[in-house]
This record gives sequence, C-alpha cells and structure tokens, in this order.
Amino acid sequence: DADVTQTPRNRITKTGKRIMLECSQTKGHDRMYWYRQDPGLGLRLIYYSFDVKDINKGEISDGYSVSRQAQAKFSLSLESAIPNQTALYFCATRPGQGGGYTFGSGTRLTVV
Amino acid sequence: RKEVEQDPGPFNVPEGATVAFNCTYSNSASQSFFWYRQDCRKEPKLLMSVYSSGNEDGRFTAQLNRASQYISLLIRDSKLSDSATYLCVVPGGGSQGNLIFGKGTKLSVKP
Repeated sequence: DADVTQTPRNRITKTGKRIMLECSQTKGHDRMYWYRQDPGLGLRLIYYSFDVKDINKGEISDGYSVSRQAQAKFSLSLESAIPNQTALYFCATRPGQGGGYTFGSGTRLTVV
Repeated sequence: RKEVEQDPGPFNVPEGATVAFNCTYSNSASQSFFWYRQDCRKEPKLLMSVYSSGNEDGRFTAQLNRASQYISLLIRDSKLSDSATYLCVVPGGGSQGNLIFGKGTKLSVKP
C-alpha cells in the first residue's frame, strides 16, 4: 500500500456541486498538507495541519475547507465547485520541520 | 528576490550529457533544501535532500552556496529516464516552516 493515498484519482464534477477529496497516510506523521498544481504556476499550498486540532490556511484557501478527522486522515472540500478550481490536487505529509514531503498520487479534478 | 526561483528551462540534452540546474532562494535563514523530481501528471518524488555544503548520490550531485543563496543540481551521464521536471524546494519564511516549491525546470534527454 502507498504511504499516502488519495481518493478519487480522477473526478469530473459540475459547477456548484460540493465535492470532497480524501487523503490518508500510514507514515505516522503529524503534518499534512493540501496543494494544487496548475500549469505554469507550480504547487500552491491550500491548507495545512500540524495535528488534529491545528488547521491553517495556505496561500490560496478561498473556496476550500478541510477536515482533519484523525492523525492519518485529512480531507479537502470544495463547497461549491467552480471551473477555475480545475487542477491537479496533491496531499502530502511530512515528519517535521526538517524533513521533506511525501506526496499522494494526486487527484485530477475537472469542474465543468 | 522571489522566495524561490529556478532556471526557466526547458533543457534538451543528448544522452550522456552533463546538465546543471540552479535555484536561488530569498530566506537566508533556510536550513534544509530539497530537489524533487516530477514526471508528467505524477506526484513529485524526493530526489535529494541538501543539508550542508552539498551531497552526491550516484550520478546526481546537489550543491548549496549559502553566501550566494543558491542550490544546484548536477546530473552526469544523462539517461533517457532522467527526462522529467525538477523542482527546487526551500523552507519558507515564518515560524511554520512550510516548504516553498519552485515552478520547476523541465529536462528532456534525447537519444
């Protein structure tokens, strides 16, 4: 099994729909992150969490919300999807401030 | 200076060539740096961590120059399988210490 698992892998949804992207990890790390990646813009941080009770906004949190259900689970929601949220979404985990990220395989989301 | 800036690329090189990527960063307090590799439509994967003056792993060498605030990645004897986008990653400012990703440099190794 992958260390960081994201579901779904691909999703097409309509404008205005609510959608949840899920992430779970088996690495036992406290820190979890949600990024989106767009061509030419690189990876941008949406939300991050350092433990179950600690949720923080990243640079592009508008239109998104998150839930840290457990140390191993961190979900991202789009309350009312819009076309410019079409992107590749990655969940990542990190052991601490000195370590690198481990990414999930990504969710390719298309909002039509 | 932007938080992290990479060579724009793309780099198109023949097999067996040596290629180097540079990356500059703005946070002089940064302690740990990383190079990630990302294949098309796949997740970024850690290639190398750079903690001190630099380190080597097979054909890959990462160098850190704190005085000039840049890191580099050198790939020797390029293989077709090295074709990918290489992301420079540095610590961001602030107490949270989140990582900042460069936009990446695309490498294409040709036969």
